[in-house]
Order: sequence, then C-alpha cells, then structure tokens
Amino acid sequence: QITLKESGPTLVEPTQTLTLTCTFSGFSLTTSGVGVGWIRQPPGKALEWLAMIYWDDDKRYSPSLKSRLTITKDTSKNQVVLTMTNMYPMDTATYYCVSFYEATGMDVWGQGTTVTVSS
Amino acid sequence: QSVVTQPPSVSGTPGQRVIFSCSGSSSNIGSNFVYWYQQLPGTAPKLLIYRNDQRPSGVPDRFSGSKSGTSASLAISGLRSEDEADYYCAAWDDSLSTWVFGGGSKLTVL
Repeated sequence: QITLKESGPTLVEPTQTLTLTCTFSGFSLTTSGVGVGWIRQPPGKALEWLAMIYWDDDKRYSPSLKSRLTITKDTSKNQVVLTMTNMYPMDTATYYCVSFYEATGMDVWGQGTTVTVSS
Repeated sequence: QSVVTQPPSVSGTPGQRVIFSCSGSSSNIGSNFVYWYQQLPGTAPKLLIYRNDQRPSGVPDRFSGSKSGTSASLAISGLRSEDEADYYCAAWDDSLSTWVFGGGSKLTVL
C-alpha cells in the first residue's frame, strides 16, 4: 500500500523560507520511472503543480516559481523535501505531495498540509 | 487563467449521465495523456482516470474518460449524490515543461 504524508510548519511569516517534507512508503524512489511531486491549492482555488523529482534525480519545476523552489530526495529515509523561499501571503495554500509512475501518472496523494503565510 | 479550460460547474440529477469537458492545446492534451482527479469536499484529490481512458483499480466503471484532439471528457453515468465533488483534468505541457491542471469543475447533484 502506497502512502505519503506531508509535514512542515503551519504558519510562516512573509519573506521566510518554507520547508516541507514528504515521507512516503510502499514504493522506492530508486525504481525506474518513479517520481514524487508537489502540488498546492490555495483556499477555494484550483490545483497548481509546483515541482517533481524522479528516480534518476531529474528535477522539474513550475516555470513561474522556479527561482524560489528547490526539491531534493533522501532515498534512505524515503523522503522528499521542497523548499520555497521568500514566502508571500498569496502562497497560503494546502500543499500536497503525490507519487508518480510513468504508467499511471500522478496517482497517490498525501492528505495535504495547510500553510498560512502571515505576520 | 488556466492553460487547460474546464467549465466551472456541472449539474445533474441522480441516475443521470453527466459529462465534464477539458479543453487544451497541441502542447498539452493534443500530445500527451490526460488524467482526471476527483476531490471530495475537504479531502485530497484522488486519481479517477489515467492515460485518457484507464481506470485505476477500485474506481467504478460508472466513470469513463476519452480524448479527441486537444480536448478530453470525463463521463459519470448513474449519477449518485456521493459523486458531488470537484473534478480536475491534468496533462503534461511540452511547451511549458510543466504539468497543467484545469481550473476544475464543481459537480452538483440536484
């Protein structure tokens, strides 16, 4: 059974850096074709894809946020970490991590973690 | 403004068949697979359809997907009240090098 769980701060001050961790089980990020991604959803709004890291350490970022995002993996801990610098109030959202397989796309989602950017 | 367009709302009565549309371009839907997600109120999205028309195990066959050119559709037959949710389509965009989501369609079961 594949599970993913996001963790990190619930409140971040403007201009600070957000660090989110996705801890997963049921698959390995060393398996060919596998990836883990991050997607966010502002309150009442649509889903927005942020970043993804693949088994071969290939990394892809949303062009609009690329300068602020870094995604890394720790295969020994089954974790993927997303950092987002210079947080703004408009970055307030629920942040999800999701597993990716070439055959099925972004398939299993974590429960999400809500991040509020406010002073 | 989403690169992929969905109508904001869709409605139907129990037992009815409803269709969600998803319109994109040659760089996303036109050249890549389409995925559909269901997001029940207060929960994380769930994969409903992958690779245009494939259902993951556990997804009822009331849900079906199709694609033609730069558009895709999700159909729900035998509509139930528990199908009330937001439905999102997604595809990889070759030009943007990013996954793109539609703006989502909210299903209301009357």
